[in-house]
Amino acid sequence: LAKTTQPISMDSYEGQEVNITCSHNNIATNDYITWYQQFPSQGPRFIIQGYKTKVTNEVASLFIPADRKSSTLSLPRVSLSDTAVYYCLAPNAGKSTFGDGTTLTVKP
Amino acid sequence: GAVVSQHPSRVICKSGTSVKIECRSLDFQATTMFWYRQFPKQSLMLMATSNEGSKATYEQGVEKDKFLINHASLTLSTLTVTSAHPEDSSFYICSARRQGASSYNEQFFGPGTRLTVL
Repeated sequence: LAKTTQPISMDSYEGQEVNITCSHNNIATNDYITWYQQFPSQGPRFIIQGYKTKVTNEVASLFIPADRKSSTLSLPRVSLSDTAVYYCLAPNAGKSTFGDGTTLTVKP
Repeated sequence: GAVVSQHPSRVICKSGTSVKIECRSLDFQATTMFWYRQFPKQSLMLMATSNEGSKATYEQGVEKDKFLINHASLTLSTLTVTSAHPEDSSFYICSARRQGASSYNEQFFGPGTRLTVL
């Protein structure tokens, strides 16, 4: 199964930029990397998806190096409401598995 | 767009009863739906993958006779927990993959169903 590896936890302060890196050595050649945010007792919420280089939307940026074995989610100017668990998903053989995720805690 | 609903959001039942959870894609057609289970402080665990009109594919260790999945239409999948026991108490989450999606990961998640078995 294509399990990913992320830091278990990260702390930040309001207004800072946060970068969360995920390792996915076995990602399928033709598939995308997707990041989700989850709050307690809620389903995961789609943040961003990319295949290579850089993708940016209204909430985040995603950086993917040429070998695609890792990706970095960048959250600009985080706020207290960004405290959540962040997961990256990278499929292999038509299947993707949630890793342990990264618990981001934003402090005032 | 891409809204997925689940019903009920919370259910409490007695041991031995069966519970049905519905997952609907409200504004898109979903050829594939996924069912996950999440225990407190843990990640999501994929239970099964269901494709419209065919039998679900269960992950290793998941009892297909206990967790019945039906995906009768492009907008509805149901998970029935049969003869539920306290150890089945968990947070059940479904997701739907949009028909024609370019990525296997283009999944949209429901809000989850909290099941408590007494």
